[in-house]
Amino acid sequence: AQSVTQLGSHVSVSEGALVLLRCNYSSSVPPYLFWYVQYPNQGLQLLLKYTTGATLVKGINGFEAEFKKSETSFHLTKPSAHMSDAAEYFCAVTVTDSWGKLQFGAGTQVVVTP
Amino acid sequence: ETGVTQTPRHLVMGMTNKKSLKCEQHLGHNAMYWYKQSAKKPLELMFVYSLEERVENNSVPSRFSPECPNSSHLFLHLHTLQPEDSALYLCASSQEFPLPLHFGNGTRLTVT
Repeated sequence: AQSVTQLGSHVSVSEGALVLLRCNYSSSVPPYLFWYVQYPNQGLQLLLKYTTGATLVKGINGFEAEFKKSETSFHLTKPSAHMSDAAEYFCAVTVTDSWGKLQFGAGTQVVVTP
Repeated sequence: ETGVTQTPRHLVMGMTNKKSLKCEQHLGHNAMYWYKQSAKKPLELMFVYSLEERVENNSVPSRFSPECPNSSHLFLHLHTLQPEDSALYLCASSQEFPLPLHFGNGTRLTVT
């Protein structure tokens, strides 16, 4: 079975600073990896996904993530934080033939300070 | 209207009540899902429907009963719930593997 671990349940970052959210996965077969964002009182919105091909994936709102098989990681970054980036971020993994059984991490709450 | 719409947004019910959550997707997807999001816990997959057939029941108690009358609509019927069932219930849809899922804004359920 596959799983993900998000390091750090809360991250505080200054406006304009680098955002780095860590995600490590466990899977015995090639994984498909996702990052979602959840704003208060809303559902989850897809930021980006890795399926196959290029390991550096660019998403919405200036976010990107790099799939590193050797490190079993899929960390999310954004060069310069904006106040609107304050939200909860979820890493998720699935594999072929799993019928939408996305395994979500516990989430990382991001606080952006002026 | 586009995307995935869930109603109601908020629901308070007693343990003996019967209520239903509704989800409608306008994306032309062929799979729909119910997830439960509780505080301090990862999202939990409850049910998956593909082409209106249930393909996954993730050991959910029988007091939760899903219904998928067509590929655009999904219901979650609730009966004799417990206070620990209070959570945000999220509906999602997808077209094909490898996804991604498109989520609605959820129904915040409080069981008193």
